Amino acid sequence: DAGITQSPRHKVTETGTPVTLRCHQTENHRYMYWYRQDPGHGLRLIHYSYGVKDTDKGEVSDGYSVSRSKTEDFLLTLESATSSQTSVYFCAISGSPGSYTFGSGTRLTVV
Amino acid sequence: AQKVTQAQTEISVVEKEDVTLDCVYETRDTTYYLFWYKQPPSGELVFLIRRNSFDEQNEISGRYSWNFQKSTSSFNFTITASQVVDSAVYFCALSERDDKIIFGKGTRLHILP
Repeated sequence: DAGITQSPRHKVTETGTPVTLRCHQTENHRYMYWYRQDPGHGLRLIHYSYGVKDTDKGEVSDGYSVSRSKTEDFLLTLESATSSQTSVYFCAISGSPGSYTFGSGTRLTVV
Repeated sequence: AQKVTQAQTEISVVEKEDVTLDCVYETRDTTYYLFWYKQPPSGELVFLIRRNSFDEQNEISGRYSWNFQKSTSSFNFTITASQVVDSAVYFCALSERDDKIIFGKGTRLHILP
C-alpha cells in the first residue's frame, strides 16, 4: 500500500541462518507492527513499536527481535531461523487510533 | 484481554446466494474499533470497514452490509448476491485504546459458479 514497503517480498533461507525483514514507511507514523500469518491462525502480533527505540512484545515474540532506530524503519530479525518460522510476515503502521495500513507481506521459507 | 472469534472456518455457497460471516469479540474497553479485511488469493489485505464502539449503526456498501450489536458483542458481515470475485479469506479484527489490532483466525469463503 502507499506509504509502506516491505522488503524482501520473498526469501528462502536455511535453518540456523539469521534473517532480517525490513518495514519502511514514508508516513511518519508513530506506531509500527509486525505480524505473522499462518493457516488456521490468522494474523498474530509478533512485536510492535510506539516510537524510536520503543518496542514491546506481542503474542508470538519468541525467536524474534526488532529494532527501530529511525521513525521510518522497523526491522524484524530472526536470529537463527527455524522451519516453524516459515510464514507470511506483514508489517503495519498506524498514525491515529483505529487507522492502520498494511504492507504487502513478505513470504519467508526456511528450509 | 481482547479476543476475536470467527467460528466459521470455511464456507461454500453458490453464486448469487447471500452469505453471512460471523464475528464475536471480547474486550474490557469501552472505546474500541472493529474491522473487516478481505484477503484475496493474491495475498494482500484489503480494508473493508471500520466501526468504532460508539457507532452501532449498521452500514451498507453495495452488496456488503455489516451488523454491529454491542449487546451480543458481534460484528457480522453479509454479502448479498455473492459473486465468484468475493471468494477470499475474510478477517474480523479489533483494536482497543492501546492501539494494537488483533485478528480473528479468518473465514475462507468459496463462491461456487
